[in-house]
Amino acid sequence: DGGITQSPKYLFRKEGQNVTLSCEQNLNHDAMYWYRQDPGQGLRLIYYSQIVNDFQKGDIAEGYSVSREKKESFPLTVTSAQKNPTAFYLCASSGQVLGNTIYFGEGSWLTVV
Amino acid sequence: AQSVAQPEDQVNVAEGNPLTVKCTYSVSGNPYLFWYVQYPNRGLQFLLKYITGDNLVKGSYGFEAEFNKSQTSFHLKKPSALVSDSALYFCAVRDASGTYKYIFGTGTRLKVLA
Repeated sequence: DGGITQSPKYLFRKEGQNVTLSCEQNLNHDAMYWYRQDPGQGLRLIYYSQIVNDFQKGDIAEGYSVSREKKESFPLTVTSAQKNPTAFYLCASSGQVLGNTIYFGEGSWLTVV
Repeated sequence: AQSVAQPEDQVNVAEGNPLTVKCTYSVSGNPYLFWYVQYPNRGLQFLLKYITGDNLVKGSYGFEAEFNKSQTSFHLKKPSALVSDSALYFCAVRDASGTYKYIFGTGTRLKVLA
């Protein structure tokens, strides 16, 4: 099936740990995105990538890092510098053309324990 | 700068009644507008989009949206609401300034009452 796969669905992080969320797409999209969503709230852009080996900070990049070594993959690392990481994380992808739709994965819940 | 506004945090409607979820936008150039629905603990699902052409856009699950250029609005509508339509709805606009960003509204929670 075509789409965006995020894993794991649920992840627990201890204080001081880095954790990595996986995002893979087989839609042949150039652009990929990471959003954070706090319960009952809207979406905030963390990072986005328009092409392989290039990415830009979004509105809340502090405490997060990404890589884009392959077109299909855009993993997000939540570092220990992110002091309040408990949230729902959404990965998305889109094509280049302005009218292209952005599609989302099913999300990953990260909880600090 | 591009932006979208969803003026209502929550909309309540009785099952079987028509529903409207409001969205207004501000863009420079042509607007590329989208609606999404989100169920609890799920990703956003695409409902419909306006690129050009007919001002009434039909989408998934019986939803439609009306593009109004003079009022800079893109309201989501459905003629007869179902309890299963209860969810969080997001309006979005594609940033046309050269980045690949999409700007999302703050979301509107729709509650359909049986």
